[in-house]
Amino acid sequence: GENVEQHPSTLSVQEGDSAVIKCTYSDSASNYFPWYKQELGKRPQLIIDIRSNVGEKKDQRIAVTLNKTAKHFSLHITETQPEDSAVYFCAAAGGGADGLTFGKGTHLIIQP
Amino acid sequence: KAGVTQTPRYLIKTRGQQVTLSCSPISGHRSVSWYQQTPGQGLQFLFEYFSETQRNKGNFPGRFSGRQFSNSRSEMNVSTLELGDSALYLCASSLSTATTNEKLFFGSGTQLSVL
Repeated sequence: GENVEQHPSTLSVQEGDSAVIKCTYSDSASNYFPWYKQELGKRPQLIIDIRSNVGEKKDQRIAVTLNKTAKHFSLHITETQPEDSAVYFCAAAGGGADGLTFGKGTHLIIQP
Repeated sequence: KAGVTQTPRYLIKTRGQQVTLSCSPISGHRSVSWYQQTPGQGLQFLFEYFSETQRNKGNFPGRFSGRQFSNSRSEMNVSTLELGDSALYLCASSLSTATTNEKLFFGSGTQLSVL
């Protein structure tokens, strides 16, 4: 089955700086890569997703890049703000609408 | 539109007991999936139901089971509870079809404590 590795497990950045979280996946048939944000005590919420026919997608301060050859994808957050503090999960799903496999999460801390 | 509703919000059980958790998806969503969340392991996929059929299953023992009803509501059951089953159980619904994955909408979860 699919295996998703996520790094780093904790990331601390100064407010206003950029943050990058990286994930690798094992199943070359995976074609859907979402990112979820979970604030403390709240449910995970989708912040951005990308499909395998696209190399990059951007939504305001958030962008995701996908390298199918290397089987890795990354989340980029620019101009970080205090409200960006949360746990971020990457995930991958294979073809045929397989279930999502999540990475173990990255705790992003925004330092004032 | 109402979000994904999970009941109960909290449960306390003892080892050996069984438990049933309930999930009502967003209206129109036919796919319901379940995840176990623990501090050390993140979100682990339990199973997914689509139109009353289990479509995918994660790597959990047979003590974990589920079902989906014709109105897309879903239940999961854990029998012979173990201490390690203590976790937050999240349900998510989506517009995923038989061939595509779509955005998951999560419920608030059921916090299960096994004593």
